[in-house]
Amino acid sequence: ETGVTQSPTHLIKTRGQQVTLRCSSQSGHNTVSWYQQALGQGPQFIFQYYREEENGRGNFPPRFSGLQFPNYSSELNVNALELDDSALYLCASSLGAGEAYNEQFFGPGTRLTVL
Amino acid sequence: DQQVKQNSPSLSVQEGRISILNCDYTNSMFDYFLWYKKYPAEGPTFLISISSIKDKNEDGRFTVFLNKSAKHLSLHIVPSQPGDSAVYFCAASALGGAQKLVFGQGTRLTINP
Repeated sequence: ETGVTQSPTHLIKTRGQQVTLRCSSQSGHNTVSWYQQALGQGPQFIFQYYREEENGRGNFPPRFSGLQFPNYSSELNVNALELDDSALYLCASSLGAGEAYNEQFFGPGTRLTVL
Repeated sequence: DQQVKQNSPSLSVQEGRISILNCDYTNSMFDYFLWYKKYPAEGPTFLISISSIKDKNEDGRFTVFLNKSAKHLSLHIVPSQPGDSAVYFCAASALGGAQKLVFGQGTRLTINP
C-alpha cells in the first residue's frame, strides 16, 4: 500500500509568481485535504476535495485554489505569491466524509520559500 | 482566533518517567479530538484519538483524557522513551461535512536518557 506522496519536496519562488504543488493520495482514498504550516505554528486547513468537488474551505483568499483528479490525486495552486506564503504545505488523504471520523493520513509536505 | 491551544511550546522529561502534554479548546462544536506526532522532514502521524462521548482512551503507553466541562484534553505517555522525542500536535474536528482538523501550535517533547 503506497502512502501519501507530495512533490516537489522544496521550492523557492519570488513574490508575485505562481506555484503548483502536487499530492498523490493513499490507495483507495477519495478525499484530500490541504494544510499550511507556518514556522512554529500548527497546520491550518486550506480546503478539502471529495470526489473531485471542493468540500470545505478554510480562511484563505481565492488565490489559493485546488483541483482533484479522477484518480484522486490533487493540486494546490497559489497565485500572486506573497512573502507570508512561505510555509510547509501538507496534503492529507482519507476515505470518505460524513458522520464518523475518517482518519487523515499526511504526506511529508512541500517546503515553499517565497523571496 | 486560536480555537485549539497548546500553551507549552516545549517539554523535557527523563526517560522512563511520565510525559503529560496539555491542550485547551474553545469551540463547543468539536466532537472528536486527536493527537499527532511529527518528526522533522515527515508529515504528522496519527497517535491516538478520543470522541467527545468518552473521557479516556488508552492505547499501549499512550492515554488521552478529555474534560469537556473544562474544554481540556491531555496526552499521557508512560513510560517515556527516547523515540518519543518529537513535536506533538493536538487537533480537533467537528464530525460531518469537511471534517477539517483544527490544530494547536504544537509542543516539542524531548526525552532525556
